[in-house]
Amino acid sequence: DTAVSQTPKYLVTQMGNDKSIKCEQNLGHDTMYWYKQDSKKFLKIMFSYNNKELIINETVPNRFSPKSPDKAHLNLHINSLELGDSAVYFCASSLWTAMYNSPLHFGNGTRLTVT
Amino acid sequence: KQEVTQIPAALSVPEGENLVLNCSFTDSAIYNLQWFRQDPGKGLTSLLLIQSSQREQTSGRLNASLDKSSGRSTLYIAASQPGDSATYLCAVRRVGETSGSRLTFGEGTQLTVNP
Repeated sequence: DTAVSQTPKYLVTQMGNDKSIKCEQNLGHDTMYWYKQDSKKFLKIMFSYNNKELIINETVPNRFSPKSPDKAHLNLHINSLELGDSAVYFCASSLWTAMYNSPLHFGNGTRLTVT
Repeated sequence: KQEVTQIPAALSVPEGENLVLNCSFTDSAIYNLQWFRQDPGKGLTSLLLIQSSQREQTSGRLNASLDKSSGRSTLYIAASQPGDSATYLCAVRRVGETSGSRLTFGEGTQLTVNP
């Protein structure tokens, strides 16, 4: 009964390809996030959605497009992949109503390798 | 701009030792501070969340303190065990965010507890 699940766990692809990462949470949360962890293990937020509405969009290339079909899902589509996109991508979720004091729950990450 | 620093970057201790991990942040206007644990190949597990009005939180052998005015937090681990080996990350949630609930992460302390 995984709380936040991401697929795939590993993704190896060539430059220029388009790929998607899926995320689902069964915690009843209404806010979901995508974070990127680079090679130095530094985590940085990319996007946040609340009830399917985009509320955070950090300085991320527009090749990255999040999609939230419902509040339990937040997928990440990446076009024209580049070498620098190689990283671990984490999905997370929390409760908006307790936003400022609601712990974030993370998925296990998707390790993307672009060759 | 909020910056979060964790010292040391890596720590190796013998089993049974008590230890302290440090986290500092540059902007004291925060809602809360959260400590996470990250195991290799896994996502982040929330350990403790301290609200800005609190001084400390305890969970089992873990105790986290917060000194907001000086921009510091510590995570104290009592009677360390090999199973405590992981990377420990602290993250702060800033006040004044008009949208979303952006967490700013430190780079983590990699802890190794030797049997």
